[in-house]
Amino acid sequence: DSGVTQTPKHLITATGQRVTLRCSPRSGDLSVYWYQQSLDQGLQFLIQYYNGEERAKGNILERFSAQQFPDLHSELNLSSLELGDSALYFCASSVATSRNSPLHFGNGTRLTVT
Amino acid sequence: AQSVTQLDSQVPVFEEAPVELRCNYSSSVSVYLFWYVQYPNQGLQLLLKYLSGSTLVKGINGFEAEFNKSQTSFHLRKPSVHISDTAEYFCAVSAGETSGSRLTFGEGTQLTVNP
Repeated sequence: DSGVTQTPKHLITATGQRVTLRCSPRSGDLSVYWYQQSLDQGLQFLIQYYNGEERAKGNILERFSAQQFPDLHSELNLSSLELGDSALYFCASSVATSRNSPLHFGNGTRLTVT
Repeated sequence: AQSVTQLDSQVPVFEEAPVELRCNYSSSVSVYLFWYVQYPNQGLQLLLKYLSGSTLVKGINGFEAEFNKSQTSFHLRKPSVHISDTAEYFCAVSAGETSGSRLTFGEGTQLTVNP
């Protein structure tokens, strides 16, 4: 158990809809990352937050947004969903933002868009 | 920008045989390198990491990896695999101070250990 909790585990929704994925980091970790894992693109970094502030952005679509709350949990919001958004979304956390801070991953949320 | 290439998408081996999963990286700055393992229906778990120092790094579950700067490689090895090692393995890099702790992952290698 990594200590990172993601809910829900599975999500099935229709095109055009909006969903929210939730992540609780490990106790003591200040940094949260979101990754998307799909068959055609592999593991893609979406966005990182540190102590409530956006720290880095990767290949995140404009239809997607995220935030980190004062209690350090994070939410990833996906809107105007398309079939191609079907993927496994992982949250990870680390103590700090330095390069030697290993990432600890949750078990992911599997999103299916029909 | 950095990138990671895992040279084999699938590696089938027999139980108790040795295995090597190959990883090459590309970066113009110093790198930190990582191997993660993903078991079915689970998240990624850190196997081992190279930050600096000895180029031979030992990790969990009997795995080890060797950092080779001249060949820009970080291959993962295990002398004798078990059925329970069946999983997908990801090589990842953190390159340069600006990338911080976020990682760039390779495409993954599916290791299947057969009895």
